[in-house]
Formats: sequence, C-alpha cells, structure tokens
Amino acid sequence: DQQVKQNSPSLSVQEGRISILNCDYTNSMFDYFLWYKKYPAEGPTFLISISSIKDKNEDGRFTVFLNKSAKHLSLHIVPSQPGDSAVYFCAAKDQGGSEKLVFGKGTKLTVNP
Amino acid sequence: DAGVIQSPRHEVTEMGQEVTLRCKPISGHNSLFWYRQTMMRGLELLIYFNNNVPIDDSGMPEDRFSAKMPNASFSTLKIQPSEPRDSAVYFCASSFWSGGSYGYTFGSGTRLTVV
Repeated sequence: DQQVKQNSPSLSVQEGRISILNCDYTNSMFDYFLWYKKYPAEGPTFLISISSIKDKNEDGRFTVFLNKSAKHLSLHIVPSQPGDSAVYFCAAKDQGGSEKLVFGKGTKLTVNP
Repeated sequence: DAGVIQSPRHEVTEMGQEVTLRCKPISGHNSLFWYRQTMMRGLELLIYFNNNVPIDDSGMPEDRFSAKMPNASFSTLKIQPSEPRDSAVYFCASSFWSGGSYGYTFGSGTRLTVV
C-alpha cells in the first residue's frame, strides 16, 4: 500500500523553462512534507519542506505547493537548469511522534540544454 | 562536518555469507535511520533509532536482518545469511531540526550485490 505516490517516473524539460513535479498522498495524518534530490551514486539530499499549516514555501528557484484537500503537493523549479537533472523524491511525515519519513518512488527529471 | 559516513561503498558477496554495513551519523543528530532502495519498492525504512534505542523496526524484512547502535556515533546493519534478493542500495541517515525545518541527511549509500 503506497502512501506517497509519484505517478510520473520521468519528466523532460528545456533549460530555462519551468519543471513541475507532482506527488499525491493518501494518509490524512501526514502533516509535514519534503522534497529530496538524488544524483547517481550519491545519497538523497534535502531540497525543501513544507508544513501542513502552509500552502506554499519558496527557496530561491524552488517552490513547493501543498493542496491539503486534494492530498497533493508539487515542486516547481524556475528556471530549470541542466544541473537540476536528477531523481526527485517526495516524502511525508505524520503528525504523531514517529520520525519516519515515507518516500515516493521518485521522478527522474532531465533538463535539456 | 563530514556528513553521514557509510562503509563500504560497494559490497559483493556470495549467497549465504554474512554482510555488515556501517554508519557514522552526524554528531548531535539524535536519530539514525536505515533505508533500502530497490527499483521495485523504492526507498523503504528498515529501522530507526533514537538516542541509540531502536524505535521502529517494523520494516526489517526478516530475522536475517539485524541492526545495532552501540553508541551515538556508530551503527551497523547485518545480514546473515545473505540472499540474492537482498541486493540493493542501503542508505543510512540521521535527522536534523534547523531553522524550523526537519529532515534527514543521508549517507552516500552501500551498494550490496549478493551473487
């Protein structure tokens, strides 16, 4: 039972354009969400997070949007750069005491020069 | 800070052998996590420790897997005996709170191949 779903295994965009990566979740107890970026042969690195009390969080070129009613979040990268080419993972944490993060299976983003 | 350090980076072993993966978390991070990444299942949590105490081991596949954290700066994940289906990338992570944000810092992973 997959509680965090990234339905697009891959996405290809042109340099300078917007990249939009999507994530859906099923567990209404999730109240904190994160995006990680992963390059080959490296561990995932933290990118940006958002609490359920917000609907938007921005950090430079990266913005995460949260739609709680739809149980949907998205990561926008503007403008996209070739160095952004990586696998992006969405993750969620529930409001209980557990520190466990549940991850989606990832979306491979390719930014073409 | 050197980050989360895992060893070895790569491990190739024969079926039936014992395998030990090692992790040094970031100093001051109180929780440590072991994840496994496969194509089929993605990143799945095996076990996590808080202040060296196992908190949730519900993801440990079976008795062949065991994990220990004898002190705040070291953890091991052991597989005995190993099987080909254990082939995966194993990540260790430790958690942080910073500026109101929570997240994990991951190590570079150990790629395990069981032949």
